[in-house]
Amino acid sequence: QVQLQESGPGLVKPSETLSLTCTVSGGSISSGGYYWSWIRQHPGKGLEWIGYIYYRGNRYYNPSLKSRVAISVDTSEIHFSLTLTSVTAADTAVYYCARGQPNSDSSVSFDPWGQGTLVTVSS
Amino acid sequence: QSVLTQPPSVSAAPGQKVTISCSGSSSNVGNNYVSWYQHLPGTAPKLLIYDNNKRPSGIPDRFSGSKSGTSATLDITGLQTGDEAEYYCGTWDTSLSAEVFGGGTKVTVL
Repeated sequence: QVQLQESGPGLVKPSETLSLTCTVSGGSISSGGYYWSWIRQHPGKGLEWIGYIYYRGNRYYNPSLKSRVAISVDTSEIHFSLTLTSVTAADTAVYYCARGQPNSDSSVSFDPWGQGTLVTVSS
Repeated sequence: QSVLTQPPSVSAAPGQKVTISCSGSSSNVGNNYVSWYQHLPGTAPKLLIYDNNKRPSGIPDRFSGSKSGTSATLDITGLQTGDEAEYYCGTWDTSLSAEVFGGGTKVTVL
């Protein structure tokens, strides 16, 4: 079964770039019609969708973050990455990667998820 | 402020039933399928329901989902201590062009 695991720095300085990688085990990013996704949770708050990349390369980003976000798949096709530029304290959150499966309409359900990684933005 | 509205908390005794509501609008819940997730602190969130009322393999039938108009509901019957968790609804918002979630509901087993 597919499992996902996030990795990356736990501390990023304000104005710098946050970079995280999600490693996919038990499957391949190119193996089917999934949306490889990033979702975050601010401390004590609900979930916020960041964006996803379709296995064929189309990218979809949350409009509120679109100017600062990039999601990409590396050539190994078992890693996909998140880049968030010009971070501030408001970007402090637990970041999750997840596999998105198209529902019977235009929505996506996320399964499985990684365990999440806390990223703190502080000098 | 989450796009989808959920009650902050619900509680019931073991064996009883809880109902969690997820209220939205015609641009999200009203015209798109809803998913539900269970999240225990420190663990990966888990998909419970997709397409409003379908359960992934391995999810017990104690968990059921429904939708009417711009509101969706997650029912948990035969409540167990292991069900204590945060529960989130999610769907696509056509106006925002974004996946959106509720603020989460904490289920407490008394």
